[in-house]
Amino acid sequence: AIQMTQSPSSLSASVGDRVTITCRASQVIRNDLGWYQHKPGKAPKLLIYGTSNLQSGVPSRFSGSGSGTDFTLTISSLQPEDFATYYCLQDFNYPRTFGQGTKVEIK
Amino acid sequence: EVNLVESGGGLVQPGGSLRLSCAASGFNFSGYWMTWVRQAPGKGLEWVANIKEDGSDNNYLDSVKGRFTISRDNIKNSLYLQMNSLGAEDTALYYCARDTSPCATPVCYDALDIWGHGTLVTVSS
Repeated sequence: AIQMTQSPSSLSASVGDRVTITCRASQVIRNDLGWYQHKPGKAPKLLIYGTSNLQSGVPSRFSGSGSGTDFTLTISSLQPEDFATYYCLQDFNYPRTFGQGTKVEIK
Repeated sequence: EVNLVESGGGLVQPGGSLRLSCAASGFNFSGYWMTWVRQAPGKGLEWVANIKEDGSDNNYLDSVKGRFTISRDNIKNSLYLQMNSLGAEDTALYYCARDTSPCATPVCYDALDIWGHGTLVTVSS
């Protein structure tokens, strides 16, 4: 199975900060990667599919980039509602695999 | 409104069985692959299985192959996960999700765009 390694595992940031989360695949996965936001007690939410395509209704402060094995999720200006755990998910092959998550906390 | 509601979770003894259900509404259920994802306490998300629109194809996480069976009833707009030979490692919140294929021309991708709130499975004696 493809291993997805996310970093950092957690970070502390302030409202207005630019935040970057990275995800590295153990093999080439083309652009077959999505990003999800998960808040405690809530259903996970799709943010980005196909590496860089913003899901409908997701604020434009979220963006994704990368290809091959290295991918990045960027939040350009962190908002209070963005404090959550973020996961990457590869949809290149089966079994699908998530990164271990990055918890974004308030500084 | 598009909605997924899981049910069927509970406390089960090691080696026992449980059947989870996911009721879909607000969309053409038979037109989508569907997926189960789980989250063990204090851990991250883990993809478990998915099933094709008509039920003719499916895929599983290696650790559940031979123990879990995913199925669906397109008349009842429902997704199922039959879980047998359960162990402590299966303790988790189980989510169902709609598997969509958004396209950024000319390429289409897979993504889980609608999720339920989960049903909790606890395996313990």
